Amino acid sequence: QSALTQPASVSGSPGQSITISCTGTSSDVGSYNLVSWYQQHPGKAPKLMIYEVSKRPSGVSNRFSGSKSGNTASLTISGLQAEDEADYYCCSYAGSSTSSGVFGGGTKLTVL
Amino acid sequence: QVQLVQSGAEVKKPGASVKVSCKASGYTFTGYYMHWVRQAPGQGLEWMGWINPNSGGTNYAQKFQGWVTMTRDTSISTAYMELSRLRSDDTAVYYCARDNGSGSFYMDVWGKGTTVTVSS
Repeated sequence: QSALTQPASVSGSPGQSITISCTGTSSDVGSYNLVSWYQQHPGKAPKLMIYEVSKRPSGVSNRFSGSKSGNTASLTISGLQAEDEADYYCCSYAGSSTSSGVFGGGTKLTVL
Repeated sequence: QVQLVQSGAEVKKPGASVKVSCKASGYTFTGYYMHWVRQAPGQGLEWMGWINPNSGGTNYAQKFQGWVTMTRDTSISTAYMELSRLRSDDTAVYYCARDNGSGSFYMDVWGKGTTVTVSS
């Protein structure tokens, strides 16, 4: 199972919106609405930000939203804030036979 | 509160094995699958596999099959991940993470990670 494809880096100014893409295949992202997104600050464990493509856990700001089209999922952060600067990873279910899960390579978000 | 407490850092020689533990509290251990994810220094997250603590059933990423063993001890609400035949590129932080349990394959609670260093 190959890793999902994410841009290595994105940047934006405070208050702006950015979108991070996550491209998989018809065997993972394209087949299941089971894409999740995680935020990771340096030296910390990842934190769940989005699950089932577009749902937000309790406590996560509504500035974070998710979507999917075909084999590509996206995470959008609106109203960028300094504390959003972190690494972001997508993850998709890939079926029950073997290698059920796959992460993206990660995207470094810089808030200018 | 729901938490996962992992064992401490390990230093191992190439060819050795390491066993990392993950003790769950604040919820019914057998009701939620447990994922294991690793992160090499400066690299991204890598899904290793998951275990059903109720049945002991496992699903390993193809890369780790024959090389990783995930087990659990329900009497002490603890999951284990053992990696054998360690190489230097197994140096990483190893995380356990609880699956939400609704069949939606997402990790809602994470341990703080266990650093495993493989060096001669």
